[in-house]
Amino acid sequence: SQQGEEDPQALSIQEGENATMNCSYKTSINNLQWYRQNSGRGLVHLILIRSNEREKHSGRLRVTLDTSKKSSSLLITASRAADTASYFCATDPPNAGKSTFGDGTTLTVKP
Amino acid sequence: NAGVTQTPKFQVLKTGQSMTLQCAQDMNHNSMYWYRQDPGMGLRLIYYSASEGTTDKGEVPNGYNVSRLNKREFSLRLESAAPSQTSVYFCASSEAAGYSYEQYFGPGTRLTVT
Repeated sequence: SQQGEEDPQALSIQEGENATMNCSYKTSINNLQWYRQNSGRGLVHLILIRSNEREKHSGRLRVTLDTSKKSSSLLITASRAADTASYFCATDPPNAGKSTFGDGTTLTVKP
Repeated sequence: NAGVTQTPKFQVLKTGQSMTLQCAQDMNHNSMYWYRQDPGMGLRLIYYSASEGTTDKGEVPNGYNVSRLNKREFSLRLESAAPSQTSVYFCASSEAAGYSYEQYFGPGTRLTVT
């Protein structure tokens, strides 16, 4: 079964609005990562947050991690049509040597 | 610096045929991975190789074999293709230095088994 589960499955917003997507997971982790996938392409790494971090920023992206609730959120501020993509969280359990991906949130940003 | 490359980009097989998907990375990464992605779904790990000379099963290994040919190359073989193996296959690599597993993905191979 998937370790990470994204919510919502699909999100549609207007350009300029903020988009928030969430990821919940079941077991302890070393890191949690967010990836973006444009239609028909491979995944692109966005941001990695370690288990001892609570918040991380990268440009218009803000990621939070709450290990007590086993959840993370990805906020994209001032969204653009080019942000239209699927977003996946991936969890890295200790000593696993591999990540486990969720099923993703499909974000549509309307111009 | 090409990153992660995969060949072929597209393939159509008949049930029972075999084929090998090729993957290479030029980032001197230790770890490599093969995933499959079915429509509307996330990635499921088929096999991975934590370092040259080692391979391990992932979540969905049945029907597949892998070879870590050297540090750069990691191939995925379907011995007897089945329609259930119709999917998009992604190869990825990472440094896997014990604590950080940021992965770099190839463009994918779209496989259809009829």
